[in-house]
Amino acid sequence: AQSVAQPEDQVNVAEGNPLTVKCTYSVSGNPYLFWYVQYPNRGLQFLLKYITGDNLVKGSYGFEAEFNKSQTSFHLKKPSALVSDSALYFCAVSNQAGTALIFGKGTTLSVSS
Amino acid sequence: NAGVMQNPRHLVRRRGQEARLRCSPMKGHSHVYWYRQLPEEGLKFMVYLQKENIIDESGMPKERFSAEFPKEGPSILRIQQVVRGDSAAYFCASSPPSSGEGIQYFGAGTRLSVL
Repeated sequence: AQSVAQPEDQVNVAEGNPLTVKCTYSVSGNPYLFWYVQYPNRGLQFLLKYITGDNLVKGSYGFEAEFNKSQTSFHLKKPSALVSDSALYFCAVSNQAGTALIFGKGTTLSVSS
Repeated sequence: NAGVMQNPRHLVRRRGQEARLRCSPMKGHSHVYWYRQLPEEGLKFMVYLQKENIIDESGMPKERFSAEFPKEGPSILRIQQVVRGDSAAYFCASSPPSSGEGIQYFGAGTRLSVL
């Protein structure tokens, strides 16, 4: 069965510092991996995806993620955090396009000024 | 280009009433997905539809819940005889046909409160 784990309920960083939000997954076959961000009382906004190609993918708002097949991880990163990055971040996986996404429980990112 | 539109944004129902949630996908998108987000939890898949067809309903509760995506008009998620446990945020997502990337674009959600 497919699953996603986000081991941290909350990540706290100071503005200007690098941030990492962790995600590990389990899927049969090749994974389609996604990161979404949710602001309060809003829907999910797509940040970035990995399907094939370079292990480091770049997305919106300066975010990037590194796919590591051996560790089955897809951690979200940003070199310099902004207060406005504070939100709830979800990692998701599927094993092919056009199917249900399996989501992690989410990680709340809090960036302090 | 309007995004995925869901209405109503907030819906209050008393136990035993029916709830109807609507979702209009992005222009050019013919695939619709419904997810439910319970408090303190991630999103759980409910159902995947294409025009006039249910493709995957493996996440739908066996009773009281149904979904449709007619040839014309929005997709509807219908919950009959609501109970307090149905209180949640319901999100709709859409994707274009024949998309090899699998990106789903989400609406702002409908927050259902059952009194």
